[in-house]
Amino acid sequence: GAGVSQSPRYKVAKRGQDVALRCDPISGHVSLFWYQQALGQGPEFLTYFQNEAQLDKSGLPSDRFFAERPEGSVSTLKIQRTQQEDSAVYLCASQPYGPVRTDTQYFGPGTRLTVL
Amino acid sequence: GNSVTQMEGPVTLSEEAFLTINCTYTATGYPSLFWYVQYPGEGLQLLLKATKADDKGSNKGFEATYRKETTSFHLEKGSVQVSDSAVYFCALKRNTGNQFYFGTGTSLTVIP
Repeated sequence: GAGVSQSPRYKVAKRGQDVALRCDPISGHVSLFWYQQALGQGPEFLTYFQNEAQLDKSGLPSDRFFAERPEGSVSTLKIQRTQQEDSAVYLCASQPYGPVRTDTQYFGPGTRLTVL
Repeated sequence: GNSVTQMEGPVTLSEEAFLTINCTYTATGYPSLFWYVQYPGEGLQLLLKATKADDKGSNKGFEATYRKETTSFHLEKGSVQVSDSAVYFCALKRNTGNQFYFGTGTSLTVIP
């Protein structure tokens, strides 16, 4: 079946622009996560949704970052007034159920954001 | 806190060589442990996992054993292939909360 998809795959923004990154999780998956992966680093947690509820946004680096999942399926990560330090790959992952420690997360291919 | 420390790369091996990538973790409680692999140009894929102490995860000839006494989850493969060239990430998921904590990744290149 279809996996997690993300769009766009690549985004170049000028400093100060707003960007919106889209994630389509696996159909029926309850949990959705956003991670930020800087060059040469492992992914770092940004935020977590269970259905449409944003249950954890402790990893969002500043109030310029905003995420939503209004109908409990597709999610959008929005970054306002982008800065060069926002350049990274943004990964979306989905998980079948709620907070289950043993559950695998399924990752999308990521969106590579470059801020000039 | 929760963290994962991975052996730094890059690692270069000849085909059919033995592979070990070290991973140690710090966590409260009893986390689940995972290895993810990222092939060039692709997204992260689950390679294997172990959810309790002494469990062994295995897949595609790779193995890792959850060692609580040494807080380790080292990845091993007896005979690597060129197609194993990728970046490998060790990760934990703690028993409360839901997100992964990833290591920094280890790049493996296998040469013929």
